[in-house]
Amino acid sequence: GAGVSQTPSNKVTEKGKYVELRCDPISGHTALYWYRQSLGQGPEFLIYFQGTGAADDSGLPNDRFFAVRPEGSVSTLKIQRTERGDSAVYLCASSPQGANTDTQYFGPGTRLTVL
Amino acid sequence: GESVGLHLPTLSVQEGDNSIINCAYSNSASDYFIWYKQESGKGPQFIIDIRSNMDKRQGQRVTVLLNKTVKHLSLQIAATQPGDSAVYFCAETPDNYGQNFVFGPGTRLSVLP
Repeated sequence: GAGVSQTPSNKVTEKGKYVELRCDPISGHTALYWYRQSLGQGPEFLIYFQGTGAADDSGLPNDRFFAVRPEGSVSTLKIQRTERGDSAVYLCASSPQGANTDTQYFGPGTRLTVL
Repeated sequence: GESVGLHLPTLSVQEGDNSIINCAYSNSASDYFIWYKQESGKGPQFIIDIRSNMDKRQGQRVTVLLNKTVKHLSLQIAATQPGDSAVYFCAETPDNYGQNFVFGPGTRLSVLP
């Protein structure tokens, strides 16, 4: 079946612009995660959704970052007033129920470059 | 604070040899550990996991060892193949429910012909 998909695969924007990154999780998965991965580093947790609600947003670096999942399926990560330091690969993952023993299935990521 | 790290950033092994990738963690409350494999341009892929009430778990060609006394985790790959070349991450969480996994910085495994 289809895995986690993310669009766009690459996004280049200018400093100060607004961007939206989309994640389509595996159908039926209630848990959805966003991570950020800088070059040469491991993924860094940003936010976790259980259904439509953000169960843990403690990883969002500041209030320029926001994520939604209005119908409990597709999620959008929104970044306002982008900065060069936001450049990274943004990974999305989903899992069946969100138990820590559930396997998280990752998408290929969106590479964001802020010029 | 919580941190997960790796002893070696790169590892080169001969095809057919066994590989051992190490990971240290600092949070003694960590309950669940996962090893991921990440190939270039792709998201991390689950390899194997282990709970804190276990010392060892085996999969197909892979074994994870957990030493809670020294807070050390290792991934052993038997008969390493070219397709094993990737970056390997350990991740841990102290939570009972699946948020806030902490990933290490990764080890790049290169398999030499």
